[in-house]
Amino acid sequence: DSGVTQTPKHLITATGQRVTLRCSPRSGDLSVYWYQQSLDQGLQFLIQYYNGEERAKGNILERFSAQQFPDLHSELNLSSLELGDSALYFCASSRTGSYGYTFGSGTRLTVV
Amino acid sequence: AQSVTQLGSHVSVSEGALVLLRCNYSSSVPPYLFWYVQYPNQGLQLLLKYTTGATLVKGINGFEAEFKKSETSFHLTKPSAHMSDAAEYFCAVSGSSNTGKLIFGQGTTLQVKP
Repeated sequence: DSGVTQTPKHLITATGQRVTLRCSPRSGDLSVYWYQQSLDQGLQFLIQYYNGEERAKGNILERFSAQQFPDLHSELNLSSLELGDSALYFCASSRTGSYGYTFGSGTRLTVV
Repeated sequence: AQSVTQLGSHVSVSEGALVLLRCNYSSSVPPYLFWYVQYPNQGLQLLLKYTTGATLVKGINGFEAEFKKSETSFHLTKPSAHMSDAAEYFCAVSGSSNTGKLIFGQGTTLQVKP
């Protein structure tokens, strides 16, 4: 157990729907990062939050949004889902003064 | 801006043979470099990292990597492969001191043959 918890582990939904992925960072970590992993695109950085505020944005679609709450957990919202959104979504966390991330085990999203 | 290139999407070695996974980076600032491993149906686990100081970095499971600034490389090696090393390996670079985002390479799948 890495200490980063992601729920749900698996999600199957239909095109056009909206889903929410949840991430609880490791205790003491203020930064949360979201990544999308797919066969054709590899690991793509989506967005970073630090202590509740957006810190950096990557290749995140407008249909996707995220937030980090006061208790530091984060949610990634995916809407108007398309078949191409099927992927593994990873959350990672880090703490100030350390290097590198700790990853969660991911949420596998399948859009049918 | 930072980027990472991993040479070879698939590497196959025999058990007991040397493992060499190649990584080259591009960074406009002094880089922080990482290797992660991903086993099937699992998240990424940190193998080792280079931040500052000694350029030869030792990690878990007998892996090590050497930062070569002149070659902009950070290749991962292990003297003797085990079957349990079969996994996907990712090299990553960050240009920030701590909470900066990591940019990952495309990954290299390591196959270990008996």
